[in-house]
Amino acid sequence: DAGVIQSPRHEVTEMGQEVTLRCKPISGHNSLFWYRQTMMRGLELLIYFNNNVPIDDSGMPEDRFSAKMPNASFSTLKIQPSEPRDSAVYFCASTPGFYNSPLHFGNGTRLTVT
Amino acid sequence: AQSVTQPDIHITVSEGASLELRCNYSYGATPYLFWYVQSPGQGLQLLLKYFSGDTLVQGIKGFEAEFKRSQSSFNLRKPSVHWSDAAEYFCAVGAGGSARQLTFGSGTQLTVLP
Repeated sequence: DAGVIQSPRHEVTEMGQEVTLRCKPISGHNSLFWYRQTMMRGLELLIYFNNNVPIDDSGMPEDRFSAKMPNASFSTLKIQPSEPRDSAVYFCASTPGFYNSPLHFGNGTRLTVT
Repeated sequence: AQSVTQPDIHITVSEGASLELRCNYSYGATPYLFWYVQSPGQGLQLLLKYFSGDTLVQGIKGFEAEFKRSQSSFNLRKPSVHWSDAAEYFCAVGAGGSARQLTFGSGTQLTVLP
């Protein structure tokens, strides 16, 4: 079990650029979550998918943020255009979706927007 | 809506000493409670979870937590702390019987002195 895999681990970009974060959930997990972690706001749920379908995107901060899950083994979180206040650590997590199943987190992508 | 409070931002203990990290939650029904640990540069790892039954829950790495409904608390304990326990600890409450709608506390940073 390779765990949840996120790439890149670190991303530095300039304001206005497009940023794409990637996530591969654990095989067999049918729910996938994107979280953002900052000092000021802690861990925030941005969006989650069940069986590749977005279920709740109420945490997505602005239209500049979008997420897709084209298949069961891949998801992206895109920010376009990026802004300095988007600097944070972005975590992807997955779960088998069974009742009472906990989240399995990736190691995160640290995004810095200058 | 559920909420979680971790009143201690930072705790320092000596190696070998006992540890208790506090967590208070607010939720109208039976809560689903979790403790996660985050080491620097890593994602969150599940320590333990409570859904029902015995209110004293055993987790990994020698941690335990006790659910006290009357106090709306789910405190994490360890009888003897090791230097490798230095990390940030997050309490979380879930709604709807799954991990899909987790609300995280703001975290407690644990420092272990030699």
